[in-house]
Amino acid sequence: KAGVTQTPRYLIKTRGQQVTLSCSPISGHRSVSWYQQTPGQGLQFLFEYFSETQRNKGNFPGRFSGRQFSNSRSEMNVSTLELGDSALYLCASSLGPAGGARETQYFGPGTRLLVL
Amino acid sequence: AQSVTQLGSHVSVSEGALVLLRCNYSSSVPPYLFWYVQYPNQGLQLLLKYTSAATLVKGINGFEAEFKKSETSFHLTKPSAHMSDAAEYFCAVSDLGSGYALNFGKGTSLLVTP
Repeated sequence: KAGVTQTPRYLIKTRGQQVTLSCSPISGHRSVSWYQQTPGQGLQFLFEYFSETQRNKGNFPGRFSGRQFSNSRSEMNVSTLELGDSALYLCASSLGPAGGARETQYFGPGTRLLVL
Repeated sequence: AQSVTQLGSHVSVSEGALVLLRCNYSSSVPPYLFWYVQYPNQGLQLLLKYTSAATLVKGINGFEAEFKKSETSFHLTKPSAHMSDAAEYFCAVSDLGSGYALNFGKGTSLLVTP
């Protein structure tokens, strides 16, 4: 069974632009969670989607948004990029009904975003 | 609020020696506890997970961790380190207060020397 895939793997943007990252979960998984990883702040939870609805949200500004499609694929969008948004963005998928990490979350390889 | 503290941002062991990575947590409700490993340029891989069953949890690649409620600890151990164990290790806690999102520690970089 294929794992979690994230596209693109690397991205370079400039301040003020917006970016969209994509995550395809493992087949049969209906929950997708997003995390940001930076050297300074470490790994931080962004949001979780289940059945096309945001089920949980971390403490990030409104510039960070996401959505989930009927096939469980998810996208996250960051608008008006800032230098501090440079990070590795990881998504994780799980079966979904229980919510969050109560079910094993399987992580993708991440998208590395560099904001210049 | 829940939090995780990993003692030691860098740990160095010799090949064949015991690996001990320390993790202390705070949670006001029974937590789920995890250890993840991250190799360079890769995502996170689950090593093991505590879900209030047995306090000694065995994971992949010979790792295990013991949940000690009285000490609020969940230390990761491996009897004999291999060169391939060199990686970044993250302890995480998840509970009702966070909607069961993963709350990670800062990570411990494990170096294995020949």
